[in-house]
Amino acid sequence: GQQVMQIPQYQHVQEGEDFTTYCNSSTTLSNIQWYKQRPGGHPVFLIQLVKSGEVKKQKRLTFQFGEAKKNSSLHITATQTTDVGTYFCAALKAAGNKLTFGGGTRVLVKP
Amino acid sequence: SQTIHQWPATLVQPVGSPLSLECTVEGTSNPNLYWYRQAAGRGLQLLFYSVGIGQISSEVPQNLSASRPQDRQFILSSKKLLLSDSGFYLCAWSRGGGELFFGEGSRLTVL
Repeated sequence: GQQVMQIPQYQHVQEGEDFTTYCNSSTTLSNIQWYKQRPGGHPVFLIQLVKSGEVKKQKRLTFQFGEAKKNSSLHITATQTTDVGTYFCAALKAAGNKLTFGGGTRVLVKP
Repeated sequence: SQTIHQWPATLVQPVGSPLSLECTVEGTSNPNLYWYRQAAGRGLQLLFYSVGIGQISSEVPQNLSASRPQDRQFILSSKKLLLSDSGFYLCAWSRGGGELFFGEGSRLTVL
């Protein structure tokens, strides 16, 4: 079945630095979504990417969908303590109703 | 606006006891409904999803079951809990393959 691999599993970042988390699939994806889960909370939708090569920005967050629609990345610039949490990518199977989640990247920020 | 309610928020149950978690959605009709489980520090595992009343798809073999007695009500049950059933259970809804809206979650500890 479809698997979504997310790396790294953990990311320790110095406040003010940039980092990137990656999401890879073995199959072509219909679309990809990104979620953020704060410690003790529930996942909250950030963005959805649909088109090949699509790039979307939300303030300090930049999301990219690969040309082959098999991978995606989330880049955060100038990390702040509010960025702490786990970031999940989630892929939609073609013509399906189910999202398959990656294992998440747990981000810790060092002040 | 749409809201999703999930309860109880936390529960501690002995091994072999029954379980019932309830989720209701307001402000929308005919949503897709989902139950996810998240083990501590891990990703999201899809347990069940439903596209309509009485329609349940199971993703993984387990001793849990789900039911959808009404359009906006989704129930997760077990007749006899196992230690391995401990985790954070999340209910979610969506429109088709769109973004997921998660409930606050139910933290289950089986002793």
